[in-house]
Amino acid sequence: NAGVMQNPRHLVRRRGQEARLRCSPMKGHSHVYWYRQLPEEGLKFMVYLQKENIIDESGMPKERFSAEFPKEGPSILRIQQVVRGDSAAYFCASSPPTDGYTFGSGTRLTVV
Amino acid sequence: AQSVTQLGSHVSVSEGALVLLRCNYSSSVPPYLFWYVQYPNQGLQLLLKYTSAATLVKGINGFEAEFKKSETSFHLTKPSAHMSDAAEYFCAAAGNNNDMRFGAGTRLTVKP
Repeated sequence: NAGVMQNPRHLVRRRGQEARLRCSPMKGHSHVYWYRQLPEEGLKFMVYLQKENIIDESGMPKERFSAEFPKEGPSILRIQQVVRGDSAAYFCASSPPTDGYTFGSGTRLTVV
Repeated sequence: AQSVTQLGSHVSVSEGALVLLRCNYSSSVPPYLFWYVQYPNQGLQLLLKYTSAATLVKGINGFEAEFKKSETSFHLTKPSAHMSDAAEYFCAAAGNNNDMRFGAGTRLTVKP
């Protein structure tokens, strides 16, 4: 049973480009969470999704960021027109309810 | 949503000394509580979780945590620190709505 798979592990984008981060939850997990970790900071919740539904997006910036978890395929976190301040590690986690999250290894986004 | 406070962003101990990492949560209803560890450039790994079965929870790598309702605390301890324990530790809390929030993290340094 593979864990939570995130790809790519490292992503470099120039300012103004789009970044797409992918997350495949563990088999049998229907809840996906995205977190952002800025250098020297803790984890900040971004969005909580179930299949085809956004449950809580209270941590998502209002502009340029979007997330989806389609019926088929991985969850995607999309950042449009990236800026240097978007450089961070983005972690995806999946779970059954209240059982503790299983985290992926993260995608480290660098905006140059 | 739960709120989690970790006291001390950096903790330094000598090898063999007691490790104590503090975590307090804010909730009128005891939540589900977790401790995660993050090694450099890696994702988060679950150390232990409290789900109301027992107030003293034993986790991996010799760590344990005690849930104290009267103090709304869930401090992480290990009797004897090892060099390999050097990492970032995150306390997290989740309610029945499966909404997990993380503390800001505590970086543990172990001195030889």
